[in-house]
Amino acid sequence: DTGVSQDPRHKITKRGQNVTFRCDPISEHNRLYWYRQTLGQGPEFLTYFQNEAQLEKSRLLSDRFSAERPKGSFSTLEIQRTEQGDSAMYLCASSLIEGYTFGSGTRLTVV
Amino acid sequence: GENVEQHPSTLSVQEGDSAVIKCTYSDSASNYFPWYKQELGKRPQLIIDIRSNVGEKKDQRIAVTLNKTAKHFSLHITETQPEDSAVYFCAASGGSNYKLTFGKGTLLTVNP
Repeated sequence: DTGVSQDPRHKITKRGQNVTFRCDPISEHNRLYWYRQTLGQGPEFLTYFQNEAQLEKSRLLSDRFSAERPKGSFSTLEIQRTEQGDSAMYLCASSLIEGYTFGSGTRLTVV
Repeated sequence: GENVEQHPSTLSVQEGDSAVIKCTYSDSASNYFPWYKQELGKRPQLIIDIRSNVGEKKDQRIAVTLNKTAKHFSLHITETQPEDSAVYFCAASGGSNYKLTFGKGTLLTVNP
């Protein structure tokens, strides 16, 4: 286990389709975060899990977005009825306390 | 909520010179301030961080300073090298969830 893994690396989808991304954190990390990054901007917080509990969600996370972390291991982020404004890099990060390790991200393009 | 401002947005230096990037934050409760380096097409990588009970921290050629009164913190890179070229992000966090608010980034270019 050398880091945080995200799958897929790239996803192109048609507007209105649903997409799901997966994140596998570093195994001993109990904290897991999802961020979204658009071109020329810093990452924006989406949601946070401690173990399997989703403890915080950003107002950016509309009801079309849902995230899970069953059994406190991997996490999935689903976007329903995608819109062009959802096009971005979706980054996952994990940590024990502070000092995140980020994954390489999933780049979503909605056409 | 927290707001983090970062300046400059672009910075070009000659190899061997120093580079300084500055950030300000709005929430006086913030107590953790990391800096990330992101090369084109790659993941953000933590390069240094500082907690609010410390005024300065150094790691080889990089250092971070924090002024809690003024609510600003800075990244200093000395003896810059071409491989330091990247986008640098500052961030701030308060509370036990370590949710980060990032600045908009600084594109650093080190010219050989």
